[in-house]
Amino acid sequence: EVLLAESGGGLVKPGGSLRLSCAASGFVFSDYAMNWVRQAPGKGLEWVSTISLGSNYIYYADSLKGRFTISRDNAKNSLYLQINSLRADDTAVYYCAGGKKQLEPDFWGQGTLVTVSS
Amino acid sequence: FMLTQPPSVSESPGKTVTISCTRSSGSIGDYFVRWYQQRPGSSPTTVIFQDNQRPSGVPDRFSGSIDSSSNSASLTISGLKTEDEADYYCQSYDNNHQVFGGGTKLTVL
Repeated sequence: EVLLAESGGGLVKPGGSLRLSCAASGFVFSDYAMNWVRQAPGKGLEWVSTISLGSNYIYYADSLKGRFTISRDNAKNSLYLQINSLRADDTAVYYCAGGKKQLEPDFWGQGTLVTVSS
Repeated sequence: FMLTQPPSVSESPGKTVTISCTRSSGSIGDYFVRWYQQRPGSSPTTVIFQDNQRPSGVPDRFSGSIDSSSNSASLTISGLKTEDEADYYCQSYDNNHQVFGGGTKLTVL
């Protein structure tokens, strides 16, 4: 069974940093491009970032460039998202999602909630 | 580019509903469109990929299409069931970005 399990969310003060993780199982992680997508409370889906199989290609949403860093460790079957200088409008559920093709997420994790508040 | 969906649609059980997704720039036919279903409290799941392909397990009541003349994609759900009530998102991409539509809330009443 394909499983993606996000972790690392929580309550953070504005200006703080957070590292989200996504543990993958049930498929050959290194064969799949991976994505982070977020969803603010009551809002729609917003693409954050995509990383290719071997980390050769990395893409970010233009509005988020500079504060977000995506990475992966194929040996550990894990995906990461480092978020710096957190703002209130970063409050969202952050999903990791995998797909055979870059920029086409197929299956999703359950998400981890990040709340930015003082 | 942007993908524009109607905020909401509603229809009765057993009927057919179509949700549109219009691409603002670039040709709709140049990059595949995917559709996701998101039920309350759950993660999105793929119901259509590559414009009109259904993953295994998705009923054939779900179908997708694209229309180059209107630069849009459509998700059609026939024989509506109450379990189809959910938010639906279209998604597409270009060379180095992906975009989600704003989502359409389907009410089956």
